Parts: sequence; C-alpha cells; structure tokens
Amino acid sequence: GAGVSQSPSNKVTEKGKDVELRCDPISGHTALYWYRQSLGQGLEFLIYFQGNSAPDKSGLPSDRFSAERTGGSVSTLTIQRTQQEDSAVYLCASSLLTGLRNEKLFFGSGTQLSVL
Amino acid sequence: AQKITQTQPGMFVQEKEAVTLDCTYDTSDPSYGLFWYKQPSSGEMIFLIYQGSYDQQNATEGRYSLNFQKARKSANLVISASQLGDSAMYFCAMREGRGAQKLVFGQGTRLTINP
Repeated sequence: GAGVSQSPSNKVTEKGKDVELRCDPISGHTALYWYRQSLGQGLEFLIYFQGNSAPDKSGLPSDRFSAERTGGSVSTLTIQRTQQEDSAVYLCASSLLTGLRNEKLFFGSGTQLSVL
Repeated sequence: AQKITQTQPGMFVQEKEAVTLDCTYDTSDPSYGLFWYKQPSSGEMIFLIYQGSYDQQNATEGRYSLNFQKARKSANLVISASQLGDSAMYFCAMREGRGAQKLVFGQGTRLTINP
C-alpha cells in the first residue's frame, strides 16, 4: 500500500475484554514497530519485528500484551483482559531495514483505544 | 533515566518568527542518530530531519535546521519563519548503537503559532 494502514481507527471496549489491533505496513518494509501514546505524552516503544520474528519485545508492559506478524507483512497487537490504563493511541510504524542509522520510520494514523 | 529530554511542554510564538525546540539526549554509545518528528492534531507522525553522531555539519531541511552540540548532548530543532501550519506536537527521538532499530522518543513539545 501507499502508507502504513491501521485498523480500526477507533475501538471502544469494556474492561476485561480482549482486543486486536491490526497494522498493514508499507509493502516491502521488513521492519515493523508498535508504539503506545497516552494522552498528551510521548511515544512508548512496545515491540519491534524483523520479518516475522520479534528480536525486541522489551516494551510490552505485561503478559496481557502480545503481538505477531505473519508473512512478513500484517501484524496484530492483542491486549487481553483490557484495563482502563490500556486506553491510549496505538501507533504502528514500518521501515525498510537497511541497517543505516538514518533509516526513518513511517507511521500509521494509529488506533485510539478506549477502555470503559 | 530518560534517554531523550524535551524540557518545553509548550511554546507559543508569533507567525514569521524563528523558534527553537530543545532536545537533550543521554547515551554512552558513540554511534547514534537523532530524529525530529512533527505530529499535527490529525495524529500522523511526519519525519522532519535527521542528524547522525558522526556528521560534521548541522542538518538542514528547508525551514528546519538542527543545532547539534555533541559535547552538550543537545540536538535542538530550529524552525525559521514559522507558519500557522507549524502548530503541532514535535518529538525528538534517538536510535543508538549499531544494528539497533527502535527509536526512543521524548515527551514532546506542543508548538502554537499565533497569527
């Protein structure tokens, strides 16, 4: 696709429910990242994929959070038993994985998650 | 410890004035890269400018320039001749080390341009 696509754009759920957030990266981008942005805050790194493997998942806040990537393309971030503190914008980004320090990330528009 | 510190939560400037957004960073790795992104109210993250730790000259991209002071570990973004469309959140970010991929972001500065 032309850009990074995320769905849904908005998700409202009840506390305790599971949610799945989807990211479709730019075609050909090997690297994929998930970030979380709480209201008025900076971006908090969650997990990074290189192809289908996740060499860095150090930012996942608890075992309720998991992510997978299949076919080196689409990724799904799953949050189980959602809590109110999970409410945030979840941003996905992708990049070519050139190994160069100046490689920039291309971001999607995010999924606004609201846990009631 | 914070890797990226942006000390200005909000900035207000008059249209056409220049503005400097502060960013300091913390790393012991000699190889790193610094990025600035803009996030308008629509939410998308827009890449503005990049500075590498080994770059000899300050980076420039149109109206954006980076005041890179390596010894002070600062990488301030300068926007010349500000425009109303520059109103947005601005984030400084760092990638450190060889082979590292993720960017670590600061808390951001909200810039408001007044007419």
